[in-house]
Amino acid sequence: DGGITQSPKYLFRKEGQNVTLSCEQNLNHDAMYWYRQDPGQGLRLIYYSQIVNDFQKGDIAEGYSVSREKKESFPLTVTSAQKNPTAFYLCASTLGYSSTDTQYFGPGTRLTVL
Amino acid sequence: KQEVTQIPAALSVPEGENLVLNCSFTDSAIYNLQWFRQDPGKGLTSLLLIQSSQREQTSGRLNASLDKSSGRSTLYIAASQPGDSATYLCAVRLGRDDKIIFGKGTRLHILP
Repeated sequence: DGGITQSPKYLFRKEGQNVTLSCEQNLNHDAMYWYRQDPGQGLRLIYYSQIVNDFQKGDIAEGYSVSREKKESFPLTVTSAQKNPTAFYLCASTLGYSSTDTQYFGPGTRLTVL
Repeated sequence: KQEVTQIPAALSVPEGENLVLNCSFTDSAIYNLQWFRQDPGKGLTSLLLIQSSQREQTSGRLNASLDKSSGRSTLYIAASQPGDSATYLCAVRLGRDDKIIFGKGTRLHILP
Protein backbone atom coordinates (compact mmCIF):
# COMPACT_ATOMS: atom_id res chain seq x y z
CA ASP A 1 0.00 0.00 0.00
CA GLY A 2 1.25 3.45 -0.85
CA GLY A 3 1.22 6.11 1.77
CA ILE A 4 3.01 8.20 4.35
CA THR A 5 4.37 6.72 7.56
CA GLN A 6 5.40 8.68 10.63
CA SER A 7 7.26 7.34 13.61
CA PRO A 8 7.07 7.15 16.48
CA LYS A 9 3.36 7.64 17.17
CA TYR A 10 4.11 9.01 20.64
CA LEU A 11 7.35 10.68 21.72
CA PHE A 12 8.41 12.04 25.07
CA ARG A 13 11.24 14.52 25.40
CA LYS A 14 13.04 15.94 28.37
CA GLU A 15 13.74 19.63 28.35
CA GLY A 16 17.04 20.42 26.64
CA GLN A 17 16.98 17.38 24.39
CA ASN A 18 16.82 17.29 20.61
CA VAL A 19 14.46 14.74 19.08
CA THR A 20 13.91 13.65 15.48
CA LEU A 21 10.55 12.75 13.98
CA SER A 22 10.55 10.43 11.01
CA CYS A 23 8.46 10.86 7.86
CA GLU A 24 8.67 8.44 4.94
CA GLN A 25 6.52 8.26 1.79
CA ASN A 26 6.39 5.68 -0.99
CA LEU A 27 4.10 7.71 -3.22
CA ASN A 28 6.96 9.07 -5.34
CA HIS A 29 5.85 12.58 -4.41
CA ASP A 30 8.15 15.51 -5.02
CA ALA A 31 6.89 17.89 -2.32
CA MET A 32 6.82 17.20 1.42
CA TYR A 33 5.61 19.29 4.35
CA TRP A 34 5.74 19.42 8.14
CA TYR A 35 2.89 20.94 10.14
CA ARG A 36 2.29 21.49 13.82
CA GLN A 37 -1.23 21.23 15.22
CA ASP A 38 -2.22 22.68 18.58
CA PRO A 39 -5.74 22.60 20.05
CA GLY A 40 -7.79 25.44 18.64
CA GLN A 41 -4.90 26.64 16.45
CA GLY A 42 -5.34 24.68 13.25
CA LEU A 43 -2.31 23.52 11.25
CA ARG A 44 0.75 25.72 11.04
CA LEU A 45 3.50 25.12 8.49
CA ILE A 46 6.98 24.47 9.87
CA TYR A 47 9.03 23.57 6.79
CA TYR A 48 8.40 22.34 3.28
CA SER A 49 10.54 20.83 0.55
CA GLN A 50 9.81 20.91 -3.15
CA ILE A 51 12.76 18.80 -4.24
CA VAL A 52 15.62 16.74 -2.83
CA ASN A 53 18.32 18.78 -1.08
CA ASP A 54 16.12 21.88 -0.97
CA PHE A 55 13.67 23.14 1.65
CA GLN A 56 12.03 26.38 2.75
CA LYS A 57 10.97 27.76 6.11
CA GLY A 58 7.29 27.93 6.87
CA ASP A 59 5.56 30.21 9.32
CA ILE A 60 6.99 28.75 12.54
CA ALA A 61 10.44 27.34 11.64
CA GLU A 62 12.30 28.66 14.70
CA GLY A 63 13.58 25.82 16.88
CA TYR A 64 13.15 23.21 14.15
CA SER A 65 15.40 21.79 11.44
CA VAL A 66 14.87 19.44 8.51
CA SER A 67 16.80 17.60 5.83
CA ARG A 68 15.81 16.15 2.45
CA GLU A 69 18.59 13.83 1.37
CA LYS A 70 16.24 11.34 -0.24
CA LYS A 71 13.01 11.90 -2.14
CA GLU A 72 11.05 9.59 0.14
CA SER A 73 12.29 10.92 3.48
CA PHE A 74 11.83 14.27 5.25
CA PRO A 75 12.83 14.03 8.95
CA LEU A 76 12.09 16.86 11.37
CA THR A 77 14.34 17.64 14.32
CA VAL A 78 12.86 19.50 17.25
CA THR A 79 15.76 21.24 18.94
CA SER A 80 16.15 22.47 22.49
CA ALA A 81 15.66 25.99 21.13
CA GLN A 82 11.97 25.25 20.56
CA LYS A 83 10.46 26.56 23.78
CA ASN A 84 7.04 24.95 23.57
CA PRO A 85 7.32 21.78 21.48
CA THR A 86 4.43 19.82 22.96
CA ALA A 87 2.05 19.35 20.02
CA PHE A 88 0.78 16.99 17.35
CA TYR A 89 3.09 16.91 14.31
CA LEU A 90 1.82 16.02 10.86
CA CYS A 91 3.83 15.22 7.75
CA ALA A 92 2.27 15.58 4.30
CA SER A 93 3.18 15.28 0.65
CA THR A 94 1.93 16.21 -2.81
CA LEU A 95 2.84 14.67 -6.13
CA GLY A 96 3.99 17.96 -7.58
CA TYR A 97 2.64 21.42 -8.24
CA SER A 98 -0.38 20.88 -10.44
CA SER A 99 -3.64 22.45 -9.34
CA THR A 100 -5.11 18.96 -9.18
CA ASP A 101 -2.49 17.59 -6.78
CA THR A 102 -4.05 16.46 -3.54
CA GLN A 103 -2.15 16.74 -0.26
CA TYR A 104 -1.76 13.42 1.56
CA PHE A 105 -1.09 13.20 5.29
CA GLY A 106 0.62 10.75 7.60
CA PRO A 107 -0.95 9.56 10.87
CA GLY A 108 0.97 12.05 13.01
CA THR A 109 3.40 12.03 15.95
CA ARG A 110 2.35 13.37 19.33
CA LEU A 111 5.31 14.95 21.10
CA THR A 112 5.19 15.65 24.82
CA VAL A 113 7.85 17.50 26.78
CA LEU A 114 8.30 16.18 30.31
CA LYS B 1 -1.91 37.97 3.96
CA GLN B 2 -4.25 35.09 3.18
CA GLU B 3 -6.47 34.03 6.05
CA VAL B 4 -8.88 31.10 6.08
CA THR B 5 -11.84 31.12 8.45
CA GLN B 6 -14.30 28.38 9.28
CA ILE B 7 -17.50 29.17 11.14
CA PRO B 8 -18.93 27.66 13.28
CA ALA B 9 -16.12 26.04 15.25
CA ALA B 10 -18.49 23.25 16.31
CA LEU B 11 -21.82 21.95 15.09
CA SER B 12 -24.24 19.24 16.27
CA VAL B 13 -27.06 17.98 14.06
CA PRO B 14 -29.44 14.99 14.21
CA GLU B 15 -28.72 12.01 12.03
CA GLY B 16 -30.29 12.16 8.58
CA GLU B 17 -30.17 15.92 8.17
CA ASN B 18 -28.43 17.67 5.33
CA LEU B 19 -25.85 20.22 6.45
CA VAL B 20 -23.47 22.86 5.15
CA LEU B 21 -20.03 23.74 6.45
CA ASN B 22 -18.57 27.12 5.58
CA CYS B 23 -15.08 28.30 4.68
CA SER B 24 -14.05 31.84 3.79
CA PHE B 25 -10.72 33.22 2.58
CA THR B 26 -9.50 36.78 2.30
CA ASP B 27 -7.58 36.72 -1.01
CA SER B 28 -9.43 35.39 -4.05
CA ALA B 29 -6.18 34.63 -5.93
CA ILE B 30 -6.03 30.97 -4.97
CA TYR B 31 -4.63 28.00 -6.88
CA ASN B 32 -6.96 25.42 -5.42
CA LEU B 33 -9.02 24.63 -2.33
CA GLN B 34 -9.24 21.33 -0.47
CA TRP B 35 -11.60 19.98 2.12
CA PHE B 36 -10.21 17.48 4.63
CA ARG B 37 -11.61 15.30 7.36
CA GLN B 38 -9.73 14.62 10.60
CA ASP B 39 -10.74 12.02 13.18
CA PRO B 40 -9.48 12.52 16.77
CA GLY B 41 -5.77 11.82 17.10
CA LYS B 42 -5.40 10.97 13.41
CA GLY B 43 -4.00 12.54 10.28
CA LEU B 44 -6.04 14.37 7.68
CA THR B 45 -7.87 12.66 4.84
CA SER B 46 -8.59 14.60 1.66
CA LEU B 47 -12.27 14.69 0.73
CA LEU B 48 -12.50 17.02 -2.25
CA LEU B 49 -10.21 19.33 -4.19
CA ILE B 50 -11.53 22.21 -6.29
CA GLN B 51 -9.27 23.92 -8.79
CA SER B 52 -9.48 27.70 -9.03
CA SER B 53 -11.22 27.40 -12.41
CA GLN B 54 -13.94 25.07 -11.07
CA ARG B 55 -17.20 25.85 -9.29
CA GLU B 56 -17.85 22.55 -7.53
CA GLN B 57 -16.81 18.96 -6.98
CA THR B 58 -18.86 15.98 -5.82
CA SER B 59 -18.02 12.69 -4.18
CA GLY B 60 -20.83 10.49 -2.95
CA ARG B 61 -22.85 12.40 -0.33
CA LEU B 62 -20.38 15.28 -0.37
CA ASN B 63 -20.49 18.37 -2.56
CA ALA B 64 -18.04 21.24 -2.34
CA SER B 65 -18.58 24.57 -4.03
CA LEU B 66 -16.22 27.44 -4.67
CA ASP B 67 -17.01 31.12 -5.23
CA LYS B 68 -13.68 32.88 -5.61
CA SER B 69 -15.16 36.33 -6.14
CA SER B 70 -16.79 36.25 -2.71
CA GLY B 71 -13.97 34.27 -1.09
CA ARG B 72 -16.20 31.42 0.02
CA SER B 73 -16.47 27.67 -0.18
CA THR B 74 -19.10 25.35 1.24
CA LEU B 75 -19.08 21.64 1.96
CA TYR B 76 -22.54 20.10 1.71
CA ILE B 77 -23.12 16.75 3.41
CA ALA B 78 -26.32 14.95 2.47
CA ALA B 79 -28.18 12.55 4.74
CA SER B 80 -25.70 12.82 7.61
CA GLN B 81 -24.65 9.69 9.52
CA PRO B 82 -22.97 9.20 12.92
CA GLY B 83 -19.84 8.11 11.04
CA ASP B 84 -19.59 11.62 9.60
CA SER B 85 -18.67 12.93 13.06
CA ALA B 86 -15.19 14.43 12.73
CA THR B 87 -13.42 17.74 12.29
CA TYR B 88 -13.61 19.18 8.78
CA LEU B 89 -10.87 21.53 7.60
CA CYS B 90 -10.57 23.58 4.47
CA ALA B 91 -7.27 24.70 3.02
CA VAL B 92 -6.27 27.00 0.18
CA ARG B 93 -3.14 26.74 -1.91
CA LEU B 94 -1.83 30.16 -2.84
CA GLY B 95 0.11 29.31 -5.97
CA ARG B 96 1.86 26.60 -7.94
CA ASP B 97 5.01 26.66 -5.82
CA ASP B 98 3.44 28.10 -2.73
CA LYS B 99 2.29 26.90 0.62
CA ILE B 100 -1.14 25.76 1.79
CA ILE B 101 -3.10 27.75 4.39
CA PHE B 102 -5.52 25.88 6.66
CA GLY B 103 -8.61 26.99 8.51
CA LYS B 104 -9.03 25.93 12.13
CA GLY B 105 -11.80 23.49 11.24
CA THR B 106 -15.40 22.79 12.18
CA ARG B 107 -15.96 19.99 14.68
CA LEU B 108 -19.08 18.12 13.55
CA HIS B 109 -21.13 15.83 15.79
CA ILE B 110 -23.96 13.81 14.27
CA LEU B 111 -26.48 12.81 16.92
CA PRO B 112 -27.85 9.24 16.56
